[in-house]
Amino acid sequence: QVQLVESGGGVVQPGGSLRLSCAASGFTFSYYALHWVRQAPGKGLEWVALISFDGSNRYYADSVRGRFTISRDGSKNILYLQMNSLGTEDTAVYYCARDGRGGTLLGSGYFDNWGPGTLITVSP
Amino acid sequence: DIQMTQSPSTLSASIGDRVTITCRASQSINRQLAWYQQKPGRGPNILIYKASSLESGVPSRFSGGGSGTEFTLTISSLQPDDFATYYCQQYNSSPYTFGQGTKLEIK
Repeated sequence: QVQLVESGGGVVQPGGSLRLSCAASGFTFSYYALHWVRQAPGKGLEWVALISFDGSNRYYADSVRGRFTISRDGSKNILYLQMNSLGTEDTAVYYCARDGRGGTLLGSGYFDNWGPGTLITVSP
Repeated sequence: DIQMTQSPSTLSASIGDRVTITCRASQSINRQLAWYQQKPGRGPNILIYKASSLESGVPSRFSGGGSGTEFTLTISSLQPDDFATYYCQQYNSSPYTFGQGTKLEIK
C-alpha cells in the first residue's frame, strides 16, 4: 500500500536551516505530483509547496517562497523540503502528501495519501 | 487567494445522529473541493473529492454536495470512529486553501 514517511524534524534556532525528507513506497513515484502541507500546533492546515511528477515545475505558498525549496529524487523515491531562514512562524508539523491524480504534470491539487508528519520547532 | 470558511467550528452530536458541516468559498471553485478527516496526532485522511466523489474505502455514510461557493459534508449516522476534526479544501486554484476545521465532539 501507499506509504509516505517524513523525517528530519527537530528544534532549530531562528534564522537556521533544516532539510526534511519524505520516503515514498507502494506506488510509482514518478507518476505523481507531490506536496508539502503544514499544521502549526493547535491550528489548521496550510499548503506549502507542490512539485510536478517530473520535478520540472515547483510552486510555493507566499509565506515560504524564496526561503523553502521543494525537490525530489526519483532514483531514491524521496521528496525533500529545504527550509532556510526559519522563523518562529514556521513551527509546525510538516506533512508530505501525494496528489490525488496521477499521470498529470501538476496533478489535481487534492491529497489522497498523507504521511504521519514531522515536527519542526523554531525556538531561540 | 480563495478563502474557505467552515461552519460550525465545533459540533456536538450523539451516536446515530445525522450531521452536516458547511464550507463556503470566497469565489466559485467549480466543485474542486475535497473533505478530510483528521484525528489527534495523525495526518489527515481524504473522504471526498470533486465535491461529491467518495474516496475508495470511505464508508458510504459520508457524502458531499454543493456547487459554486457552498458545499456540505454529511454523515448520515454517526459512528464512534467519526469523532474527529474535519477540513474542507479548495483546489480550483493555487494556493490551495483549507477551511479552519470543524471539531466533531461526542454529546
